[in-house]
Amino acid sequence: EAQVTQNPRYLITVTGKKLTVTCSQNMNHEYMSWYRQDPGLGLRQIYYSMNVEVTDKGDVPEGYKVSRKEKRNFPLILESPSPNQTSLYFCASSFGGAGELFFGEGSRLTVL
Amino acid sequence: GENVEQHPSTLSVQEGDSAVIKCTYSDSASNYFPWYKQELGKGPQLIIDIRSNVGEKKDQRIAVTLNKTAKHFSLHITETQPEDSAVYFCAASIYGGSQGNLIFGKGTKLSVKP
Repeated sequence: EAQVTQNPRYLITVTGKKLTVTCSQNMNHEYMSWYRQDPGLGLRQIYYSMNVEVTDKGDVPEGYKVSRKEKRNFPLILESPSPNQTSLYFCASSFGGAGELFFGEGSRLTVL
Repeated sequence: GENVEQHPSTLSVQEGDSAVIKCTYSDSASNYFPWYKQELGKGPQLIIDIRSNVGEKKDQRIAVTLNKTAKHFSLHITETQPEDSAVYFCAASIYGGSQGNLIFGKGTKLSVKP
């Protein structure tokens, strides 16, 4: 089954404790992206990757890191999480950067 | 860069009525306009899209219209049903562009009352 898989789905952590949200897709997509969704703000792009070893900042990259060492994986790293990073995070992938995006189920992160 | 405005932010309709959600975009180079539906607890899912060489596209009860001159596009849902209740996002991008990022509107929460 074609899908984008994110882990963990739910996480409560404390300020400053490094964490990684993994994202994997099995559709051989070149393009992958991370979004955060906050009430009233819609979907805001954090980082995206057009292909392996190619990443770029989106609209809200501060406090986040990403890497794209393999085509299928695109982890989101929070080196020192802060409460303002409490949010619902979505990973997405597509064949082309602007084609149909396939989203994961989301990861709800709470930073205390 | 591209900016997408979406209205209204919330919309409540009676089952069987029509619902219309409107979006405007700023970059005249944008040529791809998808609509995504997000059900509770799930990720957004593409429901319909339109390219700039087309003025209207229909898929059963859903239709999208595009006015390139005015830089706005709309989603029309006819004969609404309770299962249409969800958050809807419009988006715009330059399809095939080197940057190729979808820019999303802030979303519309549609409630269909039985």
